[in-house]
Amino acid sequence: DAGITQSPRYKITETGRQVTLMCHQTWSHSYMFWYRQDLGHGLRLIYYSAAADITDKGEVPDGYVVSRSKTENFPLTLESATRSQTSVYFCASKDRRNTEAFFGQGTRLTVV
Amino acid sequence: AQRVTQPEKLLSVFKGAPVELKCNYSYSGSPELFWYVQYSRQRLQLLLRHISRESIKGFTADLNKGETSFHLKKPFAQEEDSAMYYCALETSGSRLTFGEGTQLTVNP
Repeated sequence: DAGITQSPRYKITETGRQVTLMCHQTWSHSYMFWYRQDLGHGLRLIYYSAAADITDKGEVPDGYVVSRSKTENFPLTLESATRSQTSVYFCASKDRRNTEAFFGQGTRLTVV
Repeated sequence: AQRVTQPEKLLSVFKGAPVELKCNYSYSGSPELFWYVQYSRQRLQLLLRHISRESIKGFTADLNKGETSFHLKKPFAQEEDSAMYYCALETSGSRLTFGEGTQLTVNP
């Protein structure tokens, strides 16, 4: 299916475990982003990528790692999950400046 | 540093009443502003962008550089407008900085 998809949709993990959230887009958009959505904070940028093999930190990158070996994929890894990383995570992609960003369905992550 | 502020976390109006969702920004460059909406159980989607100067679903937003504002307005709210609304500022690298969001409820 065309579009941007995230997996899994829901995940429960234990403190200290490594977990990877997947994001795949079929449009060959240059830019991809990871946001977390928390009550009272809106959406905050974790990491973004301008192209394959180019990534940069956003507003709240600590505890997260990203990679982008292929244009269509942008996985987000929590190296050692903490309870403060319980959140809803959104992946997004866009083509260039001033254009619409397309969002995935979100991944609800709970760290216990 | 860039910042987007939405002062109202919750906004409740009656059907047919006017609605205004406030958004203020701070940015040293030339601002590119957007409104995104998230309906219940749906993904975030673009509502409108200032550069297009368009009206979508009856909503309009005017960029006021003097007041650094980009308020979203609709003259007659409908129940289907109930959703979470985010104001967003695009900065270098096509990054979007979002406000905290305003949950709009339109009562029958």
